[in-house]
Amino acid sequence: DAKTTQPNSMESNEEEPVHLPCNHSTISGTDYIHWYRQLPSQGPEYVIHGLTSNVNNRMASLAIAEDRKSSTLILHRATLRDAAVYYCILRETNFNKFYFGSGTKLNVKP
Amino acid sequence: EADIYQTPRYLVIGTGKKITLECSQTMGHDKMYWYQQDPGMELHLIHYSYGVNSTEKGDLSSESTVSRIRTEHFPLTLESARPSHTSQYLCASSEYFRLRGYTFGSGTRLTVV
Repeated sequence: DAKTTQPNSMESNEEEPVHLPCNHSTISGTDYIHWYRQLPSQGPEYVIHGLTSNVNNRMASLAIAEDRKSSTLILHRATLRDAAVYYCILRETNFNKFYFGSGTKLNVKP
Repeated sequence: EADIYQTPRYLVIGTGKKITLECSQTMGHDKMYWYQQDPGMELHLIHYSYGVNSTEKGDLSSESTVSRIRTEHFPLTLESARPSHTSQYLCASSEYFRLRGYTFGSGTRLTVV
């Protein structure tokens, strides 16, 4: 499985944007970039995914570098409920197993 | 609103007991997975299934076993629980051709005393 690298933790102020980086230098051409988050005492939940183009949904935006070796999850206005561990994952199209890694623990300050 | 259900939510059990963690999904997903996660640590895939009568071991060796007799049901069994099995167990499912990814249950937090 191709691996990703994320900072262990980040901190943000409430109502401010948050940019969560992810490096995936060994990504292959068919790997999709997925982001999940895990709130305390819950299972991970899907946030967003993309292949080459930037993506937006109601939860977040995903910015993918042109060479696809890195990506950034953008939370436009962080709330206290966004405090969670955020996982950046590569998914091969032919396989359905995710390698989660250690993720980034986001702390949101009021 | 959960479409994948895990029971029990919490379980404290004595060493040597046989336990089954239940996982059911109502989405008709082909693929189902079990992950193990210690507090504050990574998720590790321990079992997965591509469909009925299909089961495979994951990346992390586990003494547990699984079965997939029905599409919607993917129970995990520990024949003889030990303190080293204390962990959170997360069940997930996905549709075969959908790229969106996994839907996770809320997990079962198992403590073996």
